[in-house]
Amino acid sequence: SAVISQKPSRDICQRGTSLTIQCQVDSQVTMMFWYRQQPGQSLTLIATANQGSEATYESGFVIDKFPISRPNLTFSTLTVSNMSPEDSSIYLCSVNTGELFFGEGSRLTVL
Amino acid sequence: GENVEQHPSTLSVQEGDSAVIKCTYSDSASNYFPWYKQELGKRPQLIIDIRSNVGEKKDQRIAVTLNKTAKHFSLHITETQPEDSAVYFCAASSMNRDDKIIFGKGTRLHILP
Repeated sequence: SAVISQKPSRDICQRGTSLTIQCQVDSQVTMMFWYRQQPGQSLTLIATANQGSEATYESGFVIDKFPISRPNLTFSTLTVSNMSPEDSSIYLCSVNTGELFFGEGSRLTVL
Repeated sequence: GENVEQHPSTLSVQEGDSAVIKCTYSDSASNYFPWYKQELGKRPQLIIDIRSNVGEKKDQRIAVTLNKTAKHFSLHITETQPEDSAVYFCAASSMNRDDKIIFGKGTRLHILP
């Protein structure tokens, strides 16, 4: 199993600003995954964060909009840049240890 | 890349009856198929999973079946109870390749009294 701490749990942001979400895991993992869940929707994979290399982004997501850091095997950050109301969503950090575990999510509201 | 289709999007069943949710996937390399339950305001939680070397797995009232040839898998919940009301997501992954898990669009299950 894995325990994932994610913060902030929620935030209200102004249009045009950026926010960084932090994700801490209680064990070392090779890959960490960032998902977005828009209201009433499914989980969409944004990118895979691999320690020691650049993140791999899914179709429709770019590094300039969602820069990711992965400085060590237990920590990652996702930044949502130049936010617009369409970025209002829950962002979830997850790790796969044979089972996918999720953090509690960061609910962002962009005004 | 992998594409997972899930049906139905909404399902209402009488308490005590069975519920079935079906999913299809596109990538023949996928070999791991988890199911997640998400209650309102909470993170998704794994309820059951199946790997490609088996055709069926059961855990109390929940069972999952897999047909690799047809690339589809299903979740079966028997003797449904009010606490089964939630959104259920199927997913598919190619473990040992990139480990990323791709989700279906979800099924909102309502258990009627």
